[in-house]
Amino acid sequence: QLQLQESGPGLVKPSETLSLTCTVSGGSIISASYFWGWIRQPPGKGLEWIGTIFHSGSTYYNPSLKSRVSISVDTSKSQFSLKLNSVTAADTGVYYCARHGVGDFDHWGQGALVTVSS
Amino acid sequence: QSALTQPPSASGSPGQSVTISCTGTSSDVGGYNYVSWYQQHPGKAPKFIIYEVTKRPSGVPDRFSGSRSGNTASLTVSGLQAEDEADYYCSSYAGDNNYVFGTGTKVTVL
Repeated sequence: QLQLQESGPGLVKPSETLSLTCTVSGGSIISASYFWGWIRQPPGKGLEWIGTIFHSGSTYYNPSLKSRVSISVDTSKSQFSLKLNSVTAADTGVYYCARHGVGDFDHWGQGALVTVSS
Repeated sequence: QSALTQPPSASGSPGQSVTISCTGTSSDVGGYNYVSWYQQHPGKAPKFIIYEVTKRPSGVPDRFSGSRSGNTASLTVSGLQAEDEADYYCSSYAGDNNYVFGTGTKVTVL
């Protein structure tokens, strides 16, 4: 069964870079049918799509975050990673990685809480 | 792109039905057959329960159904059960490889 697991620092200082990695197991990250995405959820608030990567390295970002976001993939390790720079307290929240097709996010990681604070 | 609009809350008694709306535009909900719905219990990751507007993934009870009229999609939960109490989010493909989520609806089983 496909599983996704987020990992990375739980505390990031303001103005620094948030870095998270998602490890995929139980299935191949190299798929012609699926993309790999990041979604976040501020405390007590709704979900926000951050961006998506295909195994080939093609990336797609939320226009509101595009200037600060970078997503990369390492197929040899079955991992894809998120970098969000110049973070502020507004970037605090739970960050999820997920697999998705054209229209639905069908497998999610358990989420990683990231707090931006000095 | 703006978040899709959902009512903040909805409620119903056990056995009753509740319907949640998800309003977007012709550039997202109304423009593509890629509306999906997610159920999220407190402290848990979202679980997808509807895809491509009306389809249910295997293992999702048929009490959950999706529909769409124009730029508004809807999720109906029939025969409400205690375990249906959760937050529900819609999502839509928005073109140019962009995705947008709804504002979320808290469903309470009275």
